[in-house]
Amino acid sequence: KAGVTQTPRYLIKTRGQQVTLSCSPISGHRSVSWYQQTPGQGLQFLFEYFSETQRNKGNFPGRFSGRQFSNSRSEMNVSTLELGDSALYLCASGGAGDTQYFGPGTRLTVL
Amino acid sequence: AQSVTQPDIHITVSEGASLELRCNYSYGATPYLFWYVQSPGQGLQLLLKYFSGDTLVQGIKGFEAEFKRSQSSFNLRKPSVHWSDAAEYFCAVGANFGNEKLTFGTGTRLTIIP
Repeated sequence: KAGVTQTPRYLIKTRGQQVTLSCSPISGHRSVSWYQQTPGQGLQFLFEYFSETQRNKGNFPGRFSGRQFSNSRSEMNVSTLELGDSALYLCASGGAGDTQYFGPGTRLTVL
Repeated sequence: AQSVTQPDIHITVSEGASLELRCNYSYGATPYLFWYVQSPGQGLQLLLKYFSGDTLVQGIKGFEAEFKRSQSSFNLRKPSVHWSDAAEYFCAVGANFGNEKLTFGTGTRLTIIP
């Protein structure tokens, strides 16, 4: 069974731009979560989607948004990028009665 | 609010020596506990998880962890480390089998010396 895939793996943007990251979960998993990892703040939960509905949300500004499609694939969007948004963005998928399995991440650099 | 504390930022051990990484959690209900490992530039790989039952859980790569409710701890152990175990280790706590929000500790970086 294929693992969680994330595209793109690396991204360079400038301040003020917006970015969209994509995540394809493990087949059969309906829950997709997003995390931001930075050296200063560590791993922080962004949001979680289940069956196209946002079920949980972390403490991030409204510039961070996401969605989930009917095939469970998910995207997250960051608008008006700031330097502090530079991070590794990790997606994880989970199945019923099971935990989350993580993808390789998207490394976002904001210049 | 749930939280996880990993008191050791960096640990160095010799190859072949035993290892114990500490994790303390704060959680209002029955915790679902996890250890993940991350190699540089990579995502997180699940080592093991505790949901209920036997408090000593076995994971991949020869790792085990013991859940101690009285101490709110979930320490990770390995009897003999290999150079390939050098990585960053994260303890996490969550609800609902960890299927929703996970709260992570700050991580412990493990260095292996020959």
